[in-house]
Amino acid sequence: DVKVTQSSRYLVKRTGEKVFLECVQDMDHENMFWYRQDPGLGLRLIYFSYDVKMKEKGDIPEGYSVSREKKERFSLILESASTNQTSMYLCASSLGQGVTDTQYFGPGTRLTVL
Amino acid sequence: EDQVTQSPEALRLQEGESSSLNCSYTVSGLRGLFWYRQDPGKGPEFLFTLYSAGEEKEKERLKATLTKKESFLHITAPKPEDSATYLCAPNSGGGADGLTFGKGTHLIIQP
Repeated sequence: DVKVTQSSRYLVKRTGEKVFLECVQDMDHENMFWYRQDPGLGLRLIYFSYDVKMKEKGDIPEGYSVSREKKERFSLILESASTNQTSMYLCASSLGQGVTDTQYFGPGTRLTVL
Repeated sequence: EDQVTQSPEALRLQEGESSSLNCSYTVSGLRGLFWYRQDPGKGPEFLFTLYSAGEEKEKERLKATLTKKESFLHITAPKPEDSATYLCAPNSGGGADGLTFGKGTHLIIQP
C-alpha cells in the first residue's frame, strides 16, 4: 500500500511566522504535489515536483515555496504566514509513469494562522 | 481552461435508497477521470480511474461510468458508512499530472 504521511495533523501559527509543512511518501514515487482545500473552493494545486530539486507552480503558488531535496520528501514553506493561508493542506504523490497516474493523498494538515 | 462541475452539492438518502452523482467536465484531451472519496478531516481516498467513454468500474456498492462529457457515480443500496464527500477529477495531462478537482458531492446516508 502507498503511504503518504504529513508531519502534523493540526498546526497553529501566528501571522508573520515561517511555517514548514512536511510530506513523506514511501513508494519511490517520482511526482509529489501540494494542494490546499477550502470550503466552497475545493482542492487547488499549489506546487508540484516531478523530480528531486525540480518544482513547478500550480494554480495558486503566491505566498508559498517548496523544497524537494530527497525523492521521498516534499516540503511546503510559508515564508510569512497570513490569516488567508488558514486552510487544510494536502500532500499527494504519484508514480510518474504518465498522465493518468493515480495520486495518493496524505491525511492532511489543518493549519490555522492567527 | 479545464472546468469540472459536480452535482448535486449535497445529497441525503435513506439507507438502501439508490442514486447517482454527476460530474460534468470540459477538458481538452481527456486522459483519464478519477473518483475519490473523502471523509471529514481526512485526505481523499482513491476509488476509480476511467479512461474512455463507455468504460465502467465497480467497487462494492459503487459503480462509475464515463461518457464524453460527464461521469456518473452510481450508488446502489447505500449504507451509512458510504456517507462521505465524493470528488471527481478529470485529467487532461496539462502540466505533469496536475488534477482539476470538482468541489464534490457531500453524501449523507441516514439509517
